[in-house]
Amino acid sequence: DAGVIQSPRHEVTEMGQEVTLRCKPISGHDYLFWYRQTMMRGLELLIYFNNNVPIDDSGMPEDRFSAKMPNASFSTLKIQPSEPRDSAVYFCASSDPRGAGETQYFGPGTRLLVL
Amino acid sequence: GESVGLHLPTLSVQEGDNSIINCAYSNSASDYFIWYKQESGKGPQFIIDIRSNMDKRQGQRVTVLLNKTVKHLSLQIAATQPGDSAVYFCAENYSGNTPLVFGKGTRLSVIA
Repeated sequence: DAGVIQSPRHEVTEMGQEVTLRCKPISGHDYLFWYRQTMMRGLELLIYFNNNVPIDDSGMPEDRFSAKMPNASFSTLKIQPSEPRDSAVYFCASSDPRGAGETQYFGPGTRLLVL
Repeated sequence: GESVGLHLPTLSVQEGDNSIINCAYSNSASDYFIWYKQESGKGPQFIIDIRSNMDKRQGQRVTVLLNKTVKHLSLQIAATQPGDSAVYFCAENYSGNTPLVFGKGTRLSVIA
């Protein structure tokens, strides 16, 4: 199995631009999670999906952030407009159908820098 | 001004020695625990897990101990190697169908 795939691996953009991060979960995993990691705040859960449906988005910082999962093999996290304080590493993780609390497998992350 | 980041506990260990990384978890109802390793520039990687009906589980060079009485989890790494240098996170499943809750992490530095 290829594991969780994220793209791009690095993104540098200017303040005000739209940023789209992409994730392909492990095949057969029903749960998908988006995290943000910074030195200041550590690892934060932003949103998670079950069977393509958003279950809890209480961690999404503000309306500039949105996430979708149009099918079982693809999810996006979009920031519009981006701000310098959004600079972080964004991770996608997936877990199998046994439940949201089971082992999560992480992708390599997208390192975002907003200038 | 200077930014203030998370102050991660740091453990420095001589190569070849054993390492013990500790984690105090918060919820007495938690029934599943995982240790993750995060190397610089990579995502967290699963190392080993344990369910609450066990108090010890061993893997290759790693052992996880669970003490439910004092809500304490530890990860023991035998014969620590330079490649073990990373940040280690514990995670707990509070209960039911809710996502894992991650600790703040401990940085392990292996001195060659």
